[in-house]
Amino acid sequence: GDSVTQMEGPVTLSEEAFLTINCTYTATGYPSLFWYVQYPGEGLQLLLKATKADDKGSNKGFEATYRKETTSFHLEKGSVQVSDSAVYFCALRPNTGNQFYFGTGTSLTVIP
Amino acid sequence: NAGVTQTPKFRVLKTGQSMTLLCAQDMNHEYMYWYRQDPGMGLRLIHYSVGEGTTAKGEVPDGYNVSRLKKQNFLLGLESAAPSQTSVYFCASSRHVGGETQYFGPGTRLLVL
Repeated sequence: GDSVTQMEGPVTLSEEAFLTINCTYTATGYPSLFWYVQYPGEGLQLLLKATKADDKGSNKGFEATYRKETTSFHLEKGSVQVSDSAVYFCALRPNTGNQFYFGTGTSLTVIP
Repeated sequence: NAGVTQTPKFRVLKTGQSMTLLCAQDMNHEYMYWYRQDPGMGLRLIHYSVGEGTTAKGEVPDGYNVSRLKKQNFLLGLESAAPSQTSVYFCASSRHVGGETQYFGPGTRLLVL
């Protein structure tokens, strides 16, 4: 069935470091792919998305490219800030069906 | 435009008690979802609805019931709470169009003693 596997955390980085959080997926066809962010005590918010192969989603300095050949959607940011400390979830929505499938989340802490 | 709201924000129950969690959305979304979030397990889908009057089971439906009598509301009921239902519950909604994202509520923290 459809599923998402993402890099386990927690991840701790110094401010201005480069961030990569790996995400791979299993799905038939061409699902839509998402990254969500959850700040402490809050619900999930959409960070970025891509709906077809080779699309690049970007927002707030974060980027992820939909790679069909490697079934991946890795999240990257060139220079993280303390305010980026949060839990990041990779998710997919199949092109048919009603459900979303989430990874287990990766906790990121950025230290000054 | 409030988006997705959840009531209550926090609740403590004793084992065997019942309660209902309310989710409301003002975006005219067709789909609504209830998830629970537990440490190390990410989000798990409890039940979902693709329209008014319809509901379906998700990954972990046991011990929960839901109703969608109005398009904007999705209720999650616990008939007889158990300590294993201690969790943070999130409601979400989305349009039915493929590729559209989900919008999440702020969550309800439930503690069952």
